[in-house]
Amino acid sequence: EAGVAQSPRYKIIEKRQSVAFWCNPISGHATLYWYQQILGQGPKLLIQFQNNGVVDDSQLPKDRFSAERLKGVDSTLKIQPAKLEDSAVYLCASSLFGTGTEAFFGQGTRLTVV
Amino acid sequence: DAKTTQPPSMDCAEGRAANLPCNHSTISGNEYVYWYRQIHSQGPQYIIHGLKNNETNEMASLIITEDRKSSTLILPHATLRDTAVYYCIVKGGAAGNKLTFGGGTRVLVKP
Repeated sequence: EAGVAQSPRYKIIEKRQSVAFWCNPISGHATLYWYQQILGQGPKLLIQFQNNGVVDDSQLPKDRFSAERLKGVDSTLKIQPAKLEDSAVYLCASSLFGTGTEAFFGQGTRLTVV
Repeated sequence: DAKTTQPPSMDCAEGRAANLPCNHSTISGNEYVYWYRQIHSQGPQYIIHGLKNNETNEMASLIITEDRKSSTLILPHATLRDTAVYYCIVKGGAAGNKLTFGGGTRVLVKP
């Protein structure tokens, strides 16, 4: 079974530029998560989708971050404009619907803003 | 708003059992206890989860106390490759499928 795919693996941009990350979840997984992980900290949930609807985006900085999940499958996370403090690993995860199901994570995209 | 408390770090000897504690004193009846680990530069990896009963799989065992206010993850024979940050997470209830990470326990397996 293919895992969660993310691209790119690494990205370096200058502050005020824009960037987009892509995630392809495991086939059939209705729930998709985006996390931000700053060095030395645990992952912080940015947004959670159920199919193509947003379940939770309470910690998404909506003035600069946006995310969409077209057709309830692939998802993109965008930052525009980027700030230095956005340097982090961005993780995507997916799971089947239900609280008793495990989530599977991708390898993440390491973003460096200079 | 993590609902769990874990020690920040612990060491264990290679080949010995590693017992990782987690406190979740405010857990509700329909919330699960999940364990994930994150090896350096990788995404978190699912280990095990349980609701009320103890659980065992090929990676670990999960012991949940009868009052469900705490649990212990047991790695039966720790290897150097088990060096990682281990996260205990409470999931379910009113929060549904939301998966919230805390600081985790940094485990160092020593030869």
